[in-house]
Amino acid sequence: GAVVSQHPSWVICKSGTSVKIECRSLDFQATTMFWYRQFPKQSLMLMATSNEGSKATYEQGVEKDKFLINHASLTLSTLTVTSAHPEDSSFYICSASGSDVRNEQYFGPGTRLTVT
Amino acid sequence: AQKVTQAQTEISVVEKEDVTLDCVYETRDTTYYLFWYKQPPSGELVFLIRRNSFDEQNEISGRYSWNFQKSTSSFNFTITASQVVDSAVYFCALSYNQGGKLIFGQGTELSVKP
Repeated sequence: GAVVSQHPSWVICKSGTSVKIECRSLDFQATTMFWYRQFPKQSLMLMATSNEGSKATYEQGVEKDKFLINHASLTLSTLTVTSAHPEDSSFYICSASGSDVRNEQYFGPGTRLTVT
Repeated sequence: AQKVTQAQTEISVVEKEDVTLDCVYETRDTTYYLFWYKQPPSGELVFLIRRNSFDEQNEISGRYSWNFQKSTSSFNFTITASQVVDSAVYFCALSYNQGGKLIFGQGTELSVKP
């Protein structure tokens, strides 16, 4: 199957700083990427959908000024958590889809963010 | 509105027991897709199966089987002769198009004890 990577796999940052998480499709062109967030012992909740070259579509309740999503190429999307606070500590998972892979959705391994 | 409900939060079984994980969904769409994913402690989601709304055939893959019933809006997952390696959180999910955003259920944490 197709491979999606995320970097970093885990990150610790201080409150008030910004952190960027990368999501890459390694062997296919991802026209659409999704960002999910998962708090401990909870389900995955979709944060936003991004199509290459377009602005991301955010789910209700997700602050677009706080969670900046960029999908500038067909293989890379980034999520920047700006002015992070402890309540942003979570597991962030991206997924990617594209016609190359018959529009199947492939998940990255996730990034664990801890804000101290 | 679309919704997925996994009423079982935690299930604990002894190795070799059979176990069924329930999934009930709500949607007004006639075309939709249902999924099951496994999330081991590492956190990475493992895809198990996808079913579209027009294919109600049940499926068996080794020790895994799935029962899709549109009449009851259910898509249940059975593990036969469970093993310790089956211990994980299992998520049922719904999408209204292939490759589209997924709506996940709350997840069922399965613990298989030796």
